Amino acid sequence: GDSVVQTEGQVLPSEGDSLIVNCSYETTQYPSLFWYVQYPGEGPQLHLKAMKANDKGRNKGFEAMYRKETTSFHLEKDSVQESDSAVYFCALSDLGSSASKIIFGSGTRLSIRP
Amino acid sequence: DAEITQSPRHKITETGRQVTLACHQTWNHNNMFWYRQDLGHGLRLIHYSYGVQDTNKGEVSDGYSVSRSNTEDLPLTLESAASSQTSVYFCASSESGEREYEQFFGPGTRLTVL
Repeated sequence: GDSVVQTEGQVLPSEGDSLIVNCSYETTQYPSLFWYVQYPGEGPQLHLKAMKANDKGRNKGFEAMYRKETTSFHLEKDSVQESDSAVYFCALSDLGSSASKIIFGSGTRLSIRP
Repeated sequence: DAEITQSPRHKITETGRQVTLACHQTWNHNNMFWYRQDLGHGLRLIHYSYGVQDTNKGEVSDGYSVSRSNTEDLPLTLESAASSQTSVYFCASSESGEREYEQFFGPGTRLTVL
């Protein structure tokens, strides 16, 4: 079945560092890919999206490129800020079956050191 | 403003008791979902509904049930609570159609089963 893998449970960059959070996926269909963000005490919310291969999602200085050849959707930022501290979930939805049903990765906690 | 609410926000119960968690949305969304969030597992889908009288099992549905009698509400019932069901529970909703991939989450319910 479909799956999303996030290899890092937590990353601890310093403010101003560059960031890459890894995400890989597995599916036999043609998914759309997402990053959801969860701030402390809140539910997750959509952060950015890429609807098809070679699309790039962007939001608040974060970017993620939908790479079909490597089945990856890594989250990147040039310079992180303390306010970026949150849990980030990579996710996919399968437009071929049900676009509303989303499969989430295990999440990566981003803790920015001041 | 439209919103999605969950109650209670915190609940402590005993093994074997029946527990119902409420979810109410004013987005008028057709699609509603229940997830549980556990460390290392991310968000796992329990049950979902695409409209009134429609319910479907997710990947971790054993021990849980839902019913959808109107558009706004999808209560989640734990028939006989077990310690393994200690978790944070999130309700979410999404519209049908072009943006059905964007789920709006409630603030969560922290359930402890003793």
